[in-house]
Parts: sequence; structure tokens; C-alpha cells
Amino acid sequence: EIVLTQSPGTLSLSPGERATLSCRASQSVSSTYLAWYQHKPGQAPRLLIYGASNRATGTPGRFSGSGSGTDFTLTLSRLEPEDSAVYYCQQYDSSRYTFGQGTKLEIK
Amino acid sequence: QVQLQESGPGLVKPSETLSLTCTVSGASISSYYWHWIRQPPGKGLEWIGNIYYIGSTTYNPSLTSRVTMAVDTSMKQISLKLNSVTAEDTAVYYCASGILTGNLAFDVWGQGTMVTVSS
Repeated sequence: EIVLTQSPGTLSLSPGERATLSCRASQSVSSTYLAWYQHKPGQAPRLLIYGASNRATGTPGRFSGSGSGTDFTLTLSRLEPEDSAVYYCQQYDSSRYTFGQGTKLEIK
Repeated sequence: QVQLQESGPGLVKPSETLSLTCTVSGASISSYYWHWIRQPPGKGLEWIGNIYYIGSTTYNPSLTSRVTMAVDTSMKQISLKLNSVTAEDTAVYYCASGILTGNLAFDVWGQGTMVTVSS
């Protein structure tokens, strides 16, 4: 099983700042099957990025994904108050899907 | 617009079977994988398993002995059964699919349904 470890656990930033969220895999992950989700309380998770760097329909341009192998990054430039949420990375390998434990992003 | 709607009992007794249904609207059920994902209170997301529209299934190894999924293409419904439940199965249960990304990610989600395991 591929374990995804996200860091930091919590990030507290101000509007307009830049957020960098990390996702590290216990072994190499195909970029094709690396995704990022935004999850707000009381809502379903929302797909932001798939294929490591492809924005999903409706994802604002200030969200970007990068990385390969075992290290992946979600970057939010110019933070807005509505970006406050938990962000999860997720991978697929050998017929199994796993999620990271999440990074909580707080907007001051 | 593709929509998924979970339904089922919100309360299940310990040792009994949790049964949920996901109804699909706005899309064909064919050619896609249909997933169940859950989130226990205060914890992260856990993939339970998936079913392809022809009925083939793959389950999370940690749950495979207790999980059964089925698909009813005529009703456009996917079902989840989890037997011998305990308090650890208390969670919000989501159905999801990869319709928009060609099965590359979970791009369509139901609103989720909370299931509590308690006597």
C-alpha cells in the first residue's frame, strides 16, 4: 500500500499570501493518478487537480499542482478567505486508492 | 448535470449490516467506475471500494471481508453493504465517480450521508 504523507498538518496564512502544500508518497506514484481535493465542512470533497497538474473544471487558475515520483505540491497563490478548507492528496496504484491525512488551511 | 444521491438508514446497530444506495442522474452508469468513500468524524477520507458498471468489484483490503457492492443499471443505482459493523464504521459515506476525467480521479461526489453505529 502506498502511504501519502501531507505536510504541514495545519497552515495559517493571510489573504493574498501564497500557500504551498506538500504530499510525499512512500513509493513512486504515477503522476497520471495523483489528485488534490478541497474539503469544506458539511460539503462533499471537490476535485481541484488531477494528473498531478491538470486543473479540474471550475478550478481557479490560482490553484496549481506539480511534482512527480514521490513528491507532489499543491500551490495556492493569492489566498482568498474562501480557500479555508482541508486539502487532501490522493493516488491510485495496483487497484487501490489512498488519501493523505490532509492539510488544514486557515485564512487569518 | 451529473448528480449522485446517497440514501439509507442513518442509524445502524452494532453487528448489523449497513446498507446504502447511490442514485445517479444526468449521466449514464456505463463505462465508469463507481466508488464508495467514507470519512469518520474528525478523521480523513478512506476509500471503501469500487464497482465497474458490468459488476466487477475491487475493495479496500482492510474492509474486503465485510463489504459487498452491486450495480443496478436499469435503476441507475449502486449499492453498498457493510456487515458486522462497529462504532468504528460511524462515518459520512460518499459515493463518487470519475465521469468527467475518464476515471482518473473522483470528480463527481454525492452530498454524503451520515451513518451512526450505535445501539
